[in-house]
Amino acid sequence: GQQLNQSPQSMFIQEGEDVSMNCTSSSIFNTWLWYKQDPGEGPVLLIALYKAGELTSNGRLTAQFGITRKDSFLNISASIPSDVGIYFCAGHFGNEKLTFGTGTRLTIIP
Amino acid sequence: DTEVTQTPKHLVMGMTNKKSLKCEQHMGHRAMYWYKQKAKKPPELMFVYSYEKLSINESVPSRFSPECPNSSLLNLHLHALQPEDSALYLCASSQAGTGAQPQHFGDGTRLSIL
Repeated sequence: GQQLNQSPQSMFIQEGEDVSMNCTSSSIFNTWLWYKQDPGEGPVLLIALYKAGELTSNGRLTAQFGITRKDSFLNISASIPSDVGIYFCAGHFGNEKLTFGTGTRLTIIP
Repeated sequence: DTEVTQTPKHLVMGMTNKKSLKCEQHMGHRAMYWYKQKAKKPPELMFVYSYEKLSINESVPSRFSPECPNSSLLNLHLHALQPEDSALYLCASSQAGTGAQPQHFGDGTRLSIL
């Protein structure tokens, strides 16, 4: 089946720094989604991408759907304490189930 | 605030108990999902309902029994669970049709099996 490799696995940054994480797949996807999950809560949808090459922003977050349809990245600019959490990418192909990446845990060092 | 509501938030049960998890959404979504999530892992799909009919069962053991009474409600009935079933159980919903619709998640039920 399809697998999503997400990197880095974890990040330790200082407040104010920019963050970049990505997902790569061995197969193509038609849709890429980025979620954030805080402890004790469910994943919250951050950005949805529907077209190869699409670049979409949501406040300080920017995500792109790779041209090959096999990758996507998420950037966070000027990180703040509430950005701490686990970020998951997820991909759809046709009517198949949503495939999740392995997650990137973001920690902000005081 | 999430638009998908799950109850209870926490549940502790013995291996012989019968309990149910509940999920409700009022976004008009016609696809609803159950996921299981272990610590530090991504969610794993268990069941999908589309237009109140079960469309996907990811080979889940029969001790988990889903039910979709109407387009807004999704239940997961639990019976004779094992300690390894302890996890966060997430419900999600989306527009039905093609798989391209984003799923919206509830905050989950933290289940502990004694």
